[in-house]
Amino acid sequence: DVKVTQSSRYLVKRTGEKVFLECVQDMDHENMFWYRQDPGLGLRLIYFSYDVKMKEKGDIPEGYSVSREKKERFSLILESASTNQTSMYLCASSTAGAGTEQFFGPGTRLTVL
Amino acid sequence: AQTVTQSQPEMSVQEAETVTLSCTYDTSESDYYLFWYKQPPSRQMILVIRQEAYKQQNATENRFSVNFQKAAKSFSLKISDSQLGDAAMYFCAYRGSTSGTYKYIFGTGTRLKVLA
Repeated sequence: DVKVTQSSRYLVKRTGEKVFLECVQDMDHENMFWYRQDPGLGLRLIYFSYDVKMKEKGDIPEGYSVSREKKERFSLILESASTNQTSMYLCASSTAGAGTEQFFGPGTRLTVL
Repeated sequence: AQTVTQSQPEMSVQEAETVTLSCTYDTSESDYYLFWYKQPPSRQMILVIRQEAYKQQNATENRFSVNFQKAAKSFSLKISDSQLGDAAMYFCAYRGSTSGTYKYIFGTGTRLKVLA
């Protein structure tokens, strides 16, 4: 079974802190994604990566950066956390190819105070 | 730009009954994929069913089936013999087949409640 794990289920941080969210997949997937999930807005893509060290901005990249130094790991970084970044963050991975299934992690619920 | 619309924020169904969740999309591409994902409360999102646009036949997975109307750009999910475990958020998603198009486009979701 594909497994996508995220470093924390719940995280509480202060405004201005630098926040790291880690995602690891164990199935050698080429593609990895970070989404933000908010009620009534669905899933919005923050960043995705289609290969090691390769990244593309999604729909809402402002205030975020990413790092993919190894194929299995994709990190989301909040450079200076703000209260409007309080949300559920979902990581996903997939093989290359348009029709492939995305496999999701359990999510990290981040609260910024 | 492609869009996906789920117009039903919440639906309810009686256990053992059938329910249909709606999804419409907009695209100028001729070849693409459509997905329904299920997100149970406090659990990971999983794929329910997938449809390739160039296939006429509607996809079916056990109690889950889709009604894919390409001309109308409609992709509804039918759940037959609903079970308590079907209670979840359901997301419709689109992905184009154009090379370099890595993005999945998600709808806003429909929360399904199953009544005992």
